Amino acid sequence: GAGVSQSPSNKVTEKGKDVELRCDPISGHTALYWYRQSLGQGLEFLIYFQGNSAPDKSGLPSDRFSAERTGGSVSTLTIQRTQQEDSAVYLCASSLAWTDYGYTFGSGTRLTVV
Amino acid sequence: DQQVKQNSPSLSVQEGRISILNCDYTNSMFDYFLWYKKYPAEGPTFLISISSIKDKNEDGRFTVFLNKSAKHLSLHIVPSQPGDSAVYFCAAGRSDTNAGKSTFGDGTTLTVKP
Repeated sequence: GAGVSQSPSNKVTEKGKDVELRCDPISGHTALYWYRQSLGQGLEFLIYFQGNSAPDKSGLPSDRFSAERTGGSVSTLTIQRTQQEDSAVYLCASSLAWTDYGYTFGSGTRLTVV
Repeated sequence: DQQVKQNSPSLSVQEGRISILNCDYTNSMFDYFLWYKKYPAEGPTFLISISSIKDKNEDGRFTVFLNKSAKHLSLHIVPSQPGDSAVYFCAAGRSDTNAGKSTFGDGTTLTVKP
C-alpha cells in the first residue's frame, strides 16, 4: 500500500485479556517502529526492527509486551493480560532513511482497557 | 528524565503572523532533529529535519533553527495559516548508532486563528 496500515483502528478490551495489534509498513521500508501515545503525553518508543537484525526492545514497558515482524514486513504487537494503564494510541511507523525523511506513521490503534 | 522537552503545551497565533515553536534537549549525543505535525485521529507527519552540522534548514514556510550550545531548536512557520493548526512534536536521535530511534517531546498544540 501507499502508507502504513494499522488494524484495528480501535480496540476495547477487558482488563486481563490479551490483544494483538497489526502493522503493515510501506513496501521496501526496512525499518519498523512501534510507539505509543498516552493521553496528553508525547510518543514513547516501544520497539524497533531493522532488516534481519535483532530488534531493539529497550522501550517495552514490561514482559507483557512483545512484538514480531514476520518476513521483514508485517509486524504484530501483542499485549498480554492487559491493564488499564496500557490504554493509549499505539502507533506504528516505517522508514527508509529516517534522518532525512523521518518516519511515516500509520493512523494508530486506539486501545482502551476497561 | 525527559531528554526532549517542549515547554509550551499550546500556542495561539493570528493568521498571517509567525508561529515559533520551541524545543529543548538534554542529550548532547543527539545529532539529528525532526519536527512532526499531527492532526486528530491521524498519525504524525514528518515536516522537516536538521542535522547538527547545520544551524538552519528551510522548506517553504517552515524553517528550523538549531542552537547546539544552548541545546535548543525552534520551528518557525511564516506566514501561519489556519490549516497549520495541529500538534507539533519535536524529536531527536543519534545517527551514529544507526538505530533510527527517535525521542519525542510531549508536543505543542498550535492554533492559528483566521
